Amino acid sequence: AQSVAQPEDQVNVAEGNPLTVKCTYSVSGNPYLFWYVQYPNRGLQFLLKYITGDNLVKGSYGFEAEFNKSQTSFHLKKPSALVSDSALYFCAVRDNTGGFKTIFGAGTRLFVKA
Amino acid sequence: GAVVSQHPSRVICKSGTSVKIECRSLDFQATTMFWYRQFPKKSLMLMATSNEGSKATYEQGVEKDKFLINHASLTLSTLTVTSAHPEDSSFYICSASSVSQMSSYNEQFFGPGTRLTVL
Repeated sequence: AQSVAQPEDQVNVAEGNPLTVKCTYSVSGNPYLFWYVQYPNRGLQFLLKYITGDNLVKGSYGFEAEFNKSQTSFHLKKPSALVSDSALYFCAVRDNTGGFKTIFGAGTRLFVKA
Repeated sequence: GAVVSQHPSRVICKSGTSVKIECRSLDFQATTMFWYRQFPKKSLMLMATSNEGSKATYEQGVEKDKFLINHASLTLSTLTVTSAHPEDSSFYICSASSVSQMSSYNEQFFGPGTRLTVL
């Protein structure tokens, strides 16, 4: 069965500093991996995805993520955090066998302090 | 990107009443739609998957008679919470999927969510 783990409930970072939000996954075969962001009382906004190709994926709002197959990780990164990046971030995985089911991690709350 | 809308965005109802939430894909045909439930400060829990014209597939532990899902067209799916109770209060999010024109990968687009409060 596929699963996603986000080991940190919360990440605190100062504005201007780099940020990392961690994600590890477990899935049979090659995964489709995603990051979404959610602001209070809002739906999910897509940030980026890894399907195939380069392990470093660049997405919206300056975010990027690195797919590491050996460590089964897909950590989200940004070189310089903004206060407006403060939100709830979800990592998600879908298997690539043609199914549609996407499994979400528990979420990591990011606080960026001015 | 494609747009998915939900209506209403917020609803407050009395215990025992039924509430219908609509999910629409505005600029694409959604072959598959999904309904998620999110508890406060928690992740999204997939409730069911629906394909147009067929019965929804419910996840284990989700009551089919409680959460009625209809996917009558390629642009509309509805979730009806029947005989709602306070424990049904939650944030409900739908998503719609279509085949990407760039590859066989199925894009999934999320609606803005509906906040249900049952008094």
